[in-house]
Amino acid sequence: GAVVSQHPSRVICKSGTSVKIECRSLDFQATTMFWYRQFPKQSLMLMATSNEGSKATYEQGVEKDKFLINHASLTLSTLTVTSAHPEDSSFYICSAGRTGPTTDTQYFGPGTRLTVL
Amino acid sequence: RKEVEQDPGPFNVPEGATVAFNCTYSNSASQSFFWYRQDCRKEPKLLMSVYSSGNEDGRFTAQLNRASQYISLLIRDSKLSDSATYLCVVNRDDKIIFGKGTRLHILP
Repeated sequence: GAVVSQHPSRVICKSGTSVKIECRSLDFQATTMFWYRQFPKQSLMLMATSNEGSKATYEQGVEKDKFLINHASLTLSTLTVTSAHPEDSSFYICSAGRTGPTTDTQYFGPGTRLTVL
Repeated sequence: RKEVEQDPGPFNVPEGATVAFNCTYSNSASQSFFWYRQDCRKEPKLLMSVYSSGNEDGRFTAQLNRASQYISLLIRDSKLSDSATYLCVVNRDDKIIFGKGTRLHILP
């Protein structure tokens, strides 16, 4: 199946620092990637849609100045959590869509666990 | 009402039993449907797409009922390794909407 990688898999940082998470589609090109956040025992919440070559589309309630998304190529999207605070501690997952004959299927990265101290 | 709804469970099912759960969606414009499996603290992984004609993959059968706006997942001869959270995912336009997941525990 299609492979999506994320880096880093785990990061611990101090409050006030910025953290960059990379999402790569390894064997296919993705014009659109999605970023999600998942708090313990909750479902995935879509944060934003990352569009190659254009601005990301953010879901209601997600601060675009805090969660910077860059989709500079067809295989790479980055999410930067700026001035991270403990409440930003979460599991961040990206996905990329692979277009098939009849439908798009989302493939997920392995996730990045962010802990802000 | 949420656009995609699932019974959160947990479903506690003895090994070898058959278990089924549904997912309802509210928007009739929904276009494609999937079941994902998510293990604790891991990313969701595609289990199967759901087609109008229904589809089967080994012990797993998925069905779509557009008239009643639900999809179902049936697991036969359940294994301990089937214990996970099963997420219903619906595509509508360019949006991906997740259900909150159904937790399944297979008991030895």
